[in-house]
Amino acid sequence: ILNVEQSPQSLHVQEGDSTNFTCSFPSSNFYALHWYRWETAKSPEALFVMTLNGDEKKKGRISATLNTKEGYSYLYIKGSQPEDSATYLCASFSGGSNYKLTFGKGTLLTVNP
Amino acid sequence: EPEVTQTPSHQVTQMGQEVILRCVPISNHLYFYWYRQILGQKVEFLVSFYNNEISEKSEIFDDQFSVERPDGSNFTLKIRSTKLEDSAMYFCASSAVQTGGEQYFGPGTRLTVT
Repeated sequence: ILNVEQSPQSLHVQEGDSTNFTCSFPSSNFYALHWYRWETAKSPEALFVMTLNGDEKKKGRISATLNTKEGYSYLYIKGSQPEDSATYLCASFSGGSNYKLTFGKGTLLTVNP
Repeated sequence: EPEVTQTPSHQVTQMGQEVILRCVPISNHLYFYWYRQILGQKVEFLVSFYNNEISEKSEIFDDQFSVERPDGSNFTLKIRSTKLEDSAMYFCASSAVQTGGEQYFGPGTRLTVT
């Protein structure tokens, strides 16, 4: 995998549903994986930065896991709320460059009340 | 809470004109970045800057682009002769550490080239 890929591209869930989405990234020369939450008309906001294989991080109802050997990360949202509606971006430092974040296209989550 | 600011929020310019996009990173951060997002596409890395010099730049960041930290607070992106395809949202970001640290993004400048 040369690029950072995210799936699905968009997702509609009902309030209270739990959901998850995937980020695939180059596993060679991996250094760090970032997740950002981006609400319309606001700045992308960092959720997690993960570096170690097997890392699991949690912030409230949102958690993320990391598999650096196979090059994927999952983001989970438990009990989705309308305020979780946003685009979730993942980005990796890998491929031999220490200074460049390569972003996926994002997953647009819409939580219906 | 400290935040990254960007001005202007929206810039309209004619093709061939020079534009300067301005950013004020978080004050104790050492690493600075510019990204852009063309409508409907991915956020793309343009350049990173540390210790008053460019650390890395992408293939997008050609001779038409330059960055500067003219004083202790501002970080600017200049596009010398804008093209229609430069129309995008430009984001500035800063971080306290290099690769392991989160980046703090500004709200963006929407550049429209006509």
